[in-house]
Amino acid sequence: GQNIDQPTEMTATEGAIVQINCTYQTSGFNGLFWYQQHAGEAPTFLSYNVLDGLEEKGRFSSFLSRSKGYSYLLLKELQMKDSASYLCASMDSNYQLIWGAGTKLIIKP
Amino acid sequence: TAGITQAPTSQILAAGRSMTLRCTQDMRHNAMYWYRQDLGLGLRLIHYSNTAGTTGKGEVPDGYSVSRANTDDFPLTLASAVPSQTSVYFCASSSSEAAGVQFFGPGTRLTVL
Repeated sequence: GQNIDQPTEMTATEGAIVQINCTYQTSGFNGLFWYQQHAGEAPTFLSYNVLDGLEEKGRFSSFLSRSKGYSYLLLKELQMKDSASYLCASMDSNYQLIWGAGTKLIIKP
Repeated sequence: TAGITQAPTSQILAAGRSMTLRCTQDMRHNAMYWYRQDLGLGLRLIHYSNTAGTTGKGEVPDGYSVSRANTDDFPLTLASAVPSQTSVYFCASSSSEAAGVQFFGPGTRLTVL
């Protein structure tokens, strides 16, 4: 079956660094995608990885290991506005996204 | 530009009634999607369309139908609503070349009583 696992909730301090992990198991693999979703709003695209390694995009970076079926999203210099849910999604062999349930990130001052 | 819009924003519907959720995009994206989002679960794909005139079933298509008469519009119809269809519904679109980079509408919160 297809499965995406990520922690339900994490707490971090403003100005710190947090790593949100995601493991995936999908029929076929065509990329790993991260989205941000603020409470009551729609998801918005953050980053994606197709090849192994780290992709850096400002304060956000995403890492992929295809052999381990593992990815993480790294958020640096946390700001209060980063309080949101972070959704991990794997693209399967049909080029459809299979979504995790999301990790709710709580930022404390 | 508006991007992608959905209507209505929210709706309370009696069980057994039908309803159409509207979705319109102005980005000329070929692909469009309907998802439902329930607490504790990931987004689940209901139906999708890779291009105007074609549609496909997602993970949870039962009780829903879609049409794609043109590039911009992708309505979702519930023929006879049931309480288990209470959810937040998101429409999304993407280019064919970057199907994983999806742009979402603001969502419709539907309650079926």
